[in-house]
Amino acid sequence: GAGVSQSPSNKVTEKGKDVELRCDPISGHTALYWYRQSLGQGLEFLIYFQGNSAPDKSGLPSDRFSAERTGGSVSTLTIQRTQQEDSAVYLCASSLVAGIQETQYFGPGTRLLVL
Amino acid sequence: KQEVTQIPAALSVPEGENLVLNCSFTDSAIYNLQWFRQDPGKGLTSLLLIQSSQREQTSGRLNASLDKSSGRSTLYIAASQPGDSATYLCAASNFNKFYFGSGTKLNVKP
Repeated sequence: GAGVSQSPSNKVTEKGKDVELRCDPISGHTALYWYRQSLGQGLEFLIYFQGNSAPDKSGLPSDRFSAERTGGSVSTLTIQRTQQEDSAVYLCASSLVAGIQETQYFGPGTRLLVL
Repeated sequence: KQEVTQIPAALSVPEGENLVLNCSFTDSAIYNLQWFRQDPGKGLTSLLLIQSSQREQTSGRLNASLDKSSGRSTLYIAASQPGDSATYLCAASNFNKFYFGSGTKLNVKP
């Protein structure tokens, strides 16, 4: 079946502009995660959605970052007033449910470059 | 906060060698530990997931071990092949948060 998809695959923007990154999880997966991978760094947890529960936003680096998940499926990560340090690969993952036995399936990522 | 470290950062070996990738974590109260493979321009692919109650998991030429008390996990790759060239990431989970290491970039030379 189809895996996790993300769009756009690449995004170049100017400092100060807003960007929206989209994630389509695997159908039927109730848990969705956003991560950021900066150059030479490991993945940094940003935000997590599980079903209709309130999202865990503890990893968001600033209030310029927000995310929504509509209808329990598609998610959008929004970065307002982008800064150069926001340049990174943003990865989305989904799992059937949240929990200790569930494998996360990752999308290909969106490469964001802020000039 | 959980800190995950991977050593070495990069590794180059000739085809056919057996090799070990290391992962250490600071908080032993993990729920599971997962190894991923990341190919350039692609997302992560899960390789092995070890529950906290388990000591190891095997899949084909891959074997991952977990020692919670010492905060270590190893990924053993037997008879390496050029197709194994990728970045290998380990991630420690404390339920619904995964903490990733920065990865080991593996190059297997033909």
